[in-house]
Amino acid sequence: GDSVTQMEGPVTLSEEAFLTINCTYTATGYPSLFWYVQYPGEGLQLLLKATKADDKGSNKGFEATYRKETTSFHLEKGSVQVSDSAVYFCALSVTAGNQFYFGTGTSLTVIP
Amino acid sequence: SAVISQKPSRDICQRGTSLTIQCQVDSQVTMMFWYRQQPGQSLTLIATANQGSEATYESGFVIDKFPISRPNLTFSTLTVSNMSPEDSSIYLCSVEGTSGNYEQYFGPGTRLTVT
Repeated sequence: GDSVTQMEGPVTLSEEAFLTINCTYTATGYPSLFWYVQYPGEGLQLLLKATKADDKGSNKGFEATYRKETTSFHLEKGSVQVSDSAVYFCALSVTAGNQFYFGTGTSLTVIP
Repeated sequence: SAVISQKPSRDICQRGTSLTIQCQVDSQVTMMFWYRQQPGQSLTLIATANQGSEATYESGFVIDKFPISRPNLTFSTLTVSNMSPEDSSIYLCSVEGTSGNYEQYFGPGTRLTVT
């Protein structure tokens, strides 16, 4: 079945460090891929998305490239800030409706 | 993207009682979704709510415990019935985006603590 496997956390980085959070997927069709962010005490916000192979989603300095050959959608940021401290969820959807799959989430803490 | 609000934002309830959570969207949507996020966990889909029909529940969730209403295209409620401490979670509603890319947009969540 369809699923998302996400890098275990928690991750702690110093400010301005490089961030990578790994995400791989299994899908029977051609999924759309997403990264969501959940700041402390808040709901989920869509961070970025990619809908087909080789697409790069980007937002707020974060990037992720849809790699069909490696079935991956790793999240990267070149220089993290304290305000990036949050939980990050990788997700996929193959069709409209309730077939939406989340990874387990990766907690990121950025220290000054 | 849709703007989604939820009420209440948080509540502390006693076991055996029920709580109804409201979800309001700023545009008409066909499908609304209710998720549960237990402490430190990912999201689990409870049910899909379509206007004009009964909600469709995922495995492990039943209508008697989580009754859902969907009276119109911008509003839905989820009730958590006969609560126990195990129901302490964040409950989120979401809607599907209109871009055709299947993304979902989430409300801010309702943080429920059952004592």
